Amino acid sequence: DQQVKQNSPSLSVQEGRISILNCDYTNSMFDYFLWYKKYPAEGPTFLISISSIKDKNEDGRFTVFLNKSAKHLSRHIVPSQPGDSAVYFCAASDDTNAGKSTFGDGTTLTVKP
Amino acid sequence: NAGVTQTPKFQVLKTGQSMTLQCAQDMNHNSMYWYRQDPGMGLRLIYYSASEGTTDKGEVPNGYNVSRLNKREFSLRLESAAPSQTSVYFCASKPGQSTDTQYFGPGTRLTVL
Repeated sequence: DQQVKQNSPSLSVQEGRISILNCDYTNSMFDYFLWYKKYPAEGPTFLISISSIKDKNEDGRFTVFLNKSAKHLSRHIVPSQPGDSAVYFCAASDDTNAGKSTFGDGTTLTVKP
Repeated sequence: NAGVTQTPKFQVLKTGQSMTLQCAQDMNHNSMYWYRQDPGMGLRLIYYSASEGTTDKGEVPNGYNVSRLNKREFSLRLESAAPSQTSVYFCASKPGQSTDTQYFGPGTRLTVL
């Protein structure tokens, strides 16, 4: 049973428009959520996180929303830029589990000029 | 400050051969992790070390062993490689067990023939 799911393997948007990356989870013990970005032939790099005590976290063009009742989080990029094209992973963890993170399968975002 | 380094970058093995993947971090982090990423999938945890001197199994430990040599280094060993172990392997570290960010190495691309 996959505890963290990214149901869209790919997403294509036009430059300047909004990109919305979605992630669903099933484990109600998760209390910390992270987004990572990955380019080909590189390791993932951390982007933004959100704790379960919050429902929104903003960082410039990027905003993460957390809906705990729906066990759903999303990451919005506004405006999208071609340099945002990459694979995005969401991950979830809980303090009781040695800080281990469970990752989704990733969404490949393509931003067209 | 190199962050997390992994050697080798690429490796081709024949079925039954053994090898060790090396990982080192220079950030004085306590926790270190080994993941594998198969095509179209997320990162799956193989083994982790919450602190120097301790190691524990992750989601997919079969066929692997690990050694936390010291605080800096965490190696992953394949005793008898199998084609199912063809994957990209990522090492990561983070300051402690709390739910903070992981820092990833660039990965090792392993092919088992």
